[in-house]
Amino acid sequence: EAEVAQSPRYKITEKSQAVAFWCDPISGHATLYWYRQILGQGPELLVQFQDESVVDDSQLPKDRFSAERLKGVDSTLKIQPAELGDSAMYLCASSLGRESEQYFGPGTRLTVT
Amino acid sequence: AQTVTQSQPEMSVQEAETVTLSCTYDTSESDYYLFWYKQPPSRQMILVIRQEAYKQQNATENRFSVNFQKAAKSFSLKISDSQLGDAAMYFCAYRRYQGGSEKLVFGKGTKLTVNP
Repeated sequence: EAEVAQSPRYKITEKSQAVAFWCDPISGHATLYWYRQILGQGPELLVQFQDESVVDDSQLPKDRFSAERLKGVDSTLKIQPAELGDSAMYLCASSLGRESEQYFGPGTRLTVT
Repeated sequence: AQTVTQSQPEMSVQEAETVTLSCTYDTSESDYYLFWYKQPPSRQMILVIRQEAYKQQNATENRFSVNFQKAAKSFSLKISDSQLGDAAMYFCAYRRYQGGSEKLVFGKGTKLTVNP
C-alpha cells in the first residue's frame, strides 16, 4: 500500500541553525499539506500546495519558514534560523484533491536545543 | 472561527468494553465534513471515520461509530469491543474551506488507554 514518506524521522538541532524536512507524497496526489503538531496539541496547517502552487500559507511564519514543491511532487520545508519554540512534530499529508481523504506520513520530530 | 473541542484529555477502557470519546465544534457553515483520526504511538495518523453534515444517518465503520448531533454541534466516537490495538491518541477534526484552500482543523486530542 502506498504511503507518504518523510525524512528524517528525528532531528536535533541547535537554536539559530537551519533545518530542512522532506516529504514524498503518494504517487498521483496533487495536494500536499505540511502540519505542525506541538506536544499535547492537534496538528495545525502550515502550508497547502496544489501541484506546485501554494494555495494557503496563512499560518506559515514566513520570516523563518519556507516551503517548496518545485515539480509538483515531493516537497521541502525549511526553517532558518530555528528557535526553541519550533520543537514539534512536522507532519506531511497528501490527497488526490479537493474533498479527498488526506493520508499522513510518519512525521519528523524536531528538537531545538 | 471554526474550533474543535475535545474535553477529555485522557480516557481508559477495559479490553472488550465500549468507550465514547466526545467532540464539539463551532461553525456557521451548513455543509461540512467531520472526521476522527487515530494516531498510535510513533506511527502515522490514520482516518478512522468520517461524517458528512448533510447526512442524518450516523457513520459506522466496523467497531467504530459516531453520534452526530448537528443542532448541538456534537460529534462523539464510540468504540465497541475495544482492543489493545485501539490504544492511541484520537483527534476530532473539521474540514474547512476558505478560498481555494481546504484544511483540517483538529481538536487537542484524547489519549485512549486500553487495559487488558
